[in-house]
Amino acid sequence: AQSVTQPDIHITVSEGASLELRCNYSYGATPYLFWYVQSPGQGLQLLLKYFSGDTLVQGIKGFEAEFKRSQSSFNLRKPSVHWSDAAEYFCAVGPSGGFKTIFGAGTRLFVKA
Amino acid sequence: ETGVTQSPTHLIKTRGQQVTLRCSSQSGHNTVSWYQQALGQGPQFIFQYYREEENGRGNFPPRFSGLQFPNYSSELNVNALELDDSALYLCASSRGEGEGETQYFGPGTRLLVL
Repeated sequence: AQSVTQPDIHITVSEGASLELRCNYSYGATPYLFWYVQSPGQGLQLLLKYFSGDTLVQGIKGFEAEFKRSQSSFNLRKPSVHWSDAAEYFCAVGPSGGFKTIFGAGTRLFVKA
Repeated sequence: ETGVTQSPTHLIKTRGQQVTLRCSSQSGHNTVSWYQQALGQGPQFIFQYYREEENGRGNFPPRFSGLQFPNYSSELNVNALELDDSALYLCASSRGEGEGETQYFGPGTRLLVL
């Protein structure tokens, strides 16, 4: 079955510290992979996406993610977290840009001063 | 460039009623997808419309239906509302059904069913 697992329901990091959010997926074919961020009361904003090519993908707001086919993972990283990064982060997988996209349950990021 | 807009922002209905949610896609986009996001969960794909035709459906019953208009705006209709339909409903638009297209999400409509 196709699925996305985000093992961490919530994570707390100190401002300025590095961040890694984990994502594992199960998908029959070569997937398109996405990371979205959702602030309270807001819709989803795309941080980055992977379709093919270089397995290290750069996104907006200083985020990057690495696709590891052997581990079925697509972890999101940021070298230095800012207080404004506090939000909910969703990993997603799909056959294309939007059709039948499957989302994980999300990881809520808390940033402490 | 106008982004994706949704109306209303909030809605309260009672069980058994019907509701219509609206979405205006981003300029130049001909594809709209609808998602249901229950509290504490990720969005779940309901269906997608491409050039006014339903292009695929997730695991939702037929009482969830939709329309896409010639200007590519869209409606989500839910009949016979149940308590479990309480959720944030998100729509997303994109340029087409082709591979690699990025979805742009609206802010959502929060529906509460009592």
